[in-house]
Amino acid sequence: DADVTQTPRNRITKTGKRIMLECSQTKGHDRMYWYRQDPGLGLRLIYYSFDVKDINKGEISDGYSVSRQAQAKFSLSLESAIPNQTALYFCATSDSGTPPPAEQYFGPGTRLTVT
Amino acid sequence: GENVEQHPSTLSVQEGDSAVIKCTYSDSASNYFPWYKQELGKRPQLIIDIRSNVGEKKDQRIAVTLNKTAKHFSLHITETQPEDSAVYFCAATPNSGGYQKVTFGTGTKLQVIP
Repeated sequence: DADVTQTPRNRITKTGKRIMLECSQTKGHDRMYWYRQDPGLGLRLIYYSFDVKDINKGEISDGYSVSRQAQAKFSLSLESAIPNQTALYFCATSDSGTPPPAEQYFGPGTRLTVT
Repeated sequence: GENVEQHPSTLSVQEGDSAVIKCTYSDSASNYFPWYKQELGKRPQLIIDIRSNVGEKKDQRIAVTLNKTAKHFSLHITETQPEDSAVYFCAATPNSGGYQKVTFGTGTKLQVIP
């Protein structure tokens, strides 16, 4: 679904570096999410945002921060990357206008490797 | 919070056979249960969902059943085909307040053997 895009798609970084993952969407959805996917652990929520002024922690927010620059943009930052943050990261969106709960639309993912 | 358990973690079936994936949830307030399919190297995509006022829903070869009393729901795929090979995630969503947090299961890797 090209309506949700993520950059970069792949990134290798060193321990201690700050890194930002970006998500943009053209679906017009107000809700955005960041998940990480690890083998055998499924998809775990890092942060979510209802709108530009609303940011909330998910179940695994330690070591991460986010910024909602606009309704269409939601960025995830790793302040000081560590190897156990190596994972596949997905951004997702959903529409509060749809009768809740609503389908989530995922971006293509960013594969992050921290060495 | 909600806890979703999913079994099995891997499943191999012969082409044409049926596949069943089972999930249990803990929060009785959950009322929406989507299933996502993730093909290799691709993003998860919704394939079917069920709401708590319905016991079963079908869409061609896939069906989902829900037992609210037992707090479990299942995905059934009939006449499996190689293109059904993927990782499947169940999820549960409580409709509490203004936010519907989706809790995912750990995934089932389905392999359909031609």
